[in-house]
Amino acid sequence: SQKIEQNSEALNIQEGKTATLTCNYTNYSPAYLQWYRQDPGRGPVFLLLIRENEKEKRKERLKVTFDTTLKQSLFHITASQPADSATYLCALPLSGGYQKVTFGTGTKLQVIP
Amino acid sequence: DTGVSQDPRHKITKRGQNVTFRCDPISEHNRLYWYRQTLGQGPEFLTYFQNEAQLEKSRLLSDRFSAERPKGSFSTLEIQRTEQGDSAMYLCASSLTAGASNQPQHFGDGTRLSIL
Repeated sequence: SQKIEQNSEALNIQEGKTATLTCNYTNYSPAYLQWYRQDPGRGPVFLLLIRENEKEKRKERLKVTFDTTLKQSLFHITASQPADSATYLCALPLSGGYQKVTFGTGTKLQVIP
Repeated sequence: DTGVSQDPRHKITKRGQNVTFRCDPISEHNRLYWYRQTLGQGPEFLTYFQNEAQLEKSRLLSDRFSAERPKGSFSTLEIQRTEQGDSAMYLCASSLTAGASNQPQHFGDGTRLSIL
């Protein structure tokens, strides 16, 4: 069956370091992948989209890579700050087409001052 | 851009009661989605609309759940005869039509449903 895997354990890193979160998927070749941020009690907020023909995408301190051979996306936050502490979700269209995405379970990031 | 708004933010009700949630999407967005999220999980797709047409429903959406978007603007999600397992955060999102490349979804802050 099609599945998305994100590290369910929280990631704790020191302020200023680079945080790297992983999203793995199985049994599908999605046309794109999205990353969202979610704070407690709030809805997810879109951060970045990367398409299958793009290896890397950047936005300010954020960088996303997409390896369709490994079926993996990496999400990096450089020079991390305590304000980056949140849960980060990856989402991709597992069922075909562009109409809807399936979300992973998310990884909780805690940046320690 | 006033964002996606959901009402109410919290709903506490007794098992067996009916509840209705409302979502007001971003005005120019023609696509509207409903999700359910439980603690420690990502949002699970329930259904989506293109304008007023309901195009897809998840198998998660039992017969007790119904969603409408009568004029292609706001949407309602109704749960009849609520059960303990319905306790969750219900999220609404909207987006522009995908076309050749997907548009990101803009989420509201959800309605948290607690069944006593």
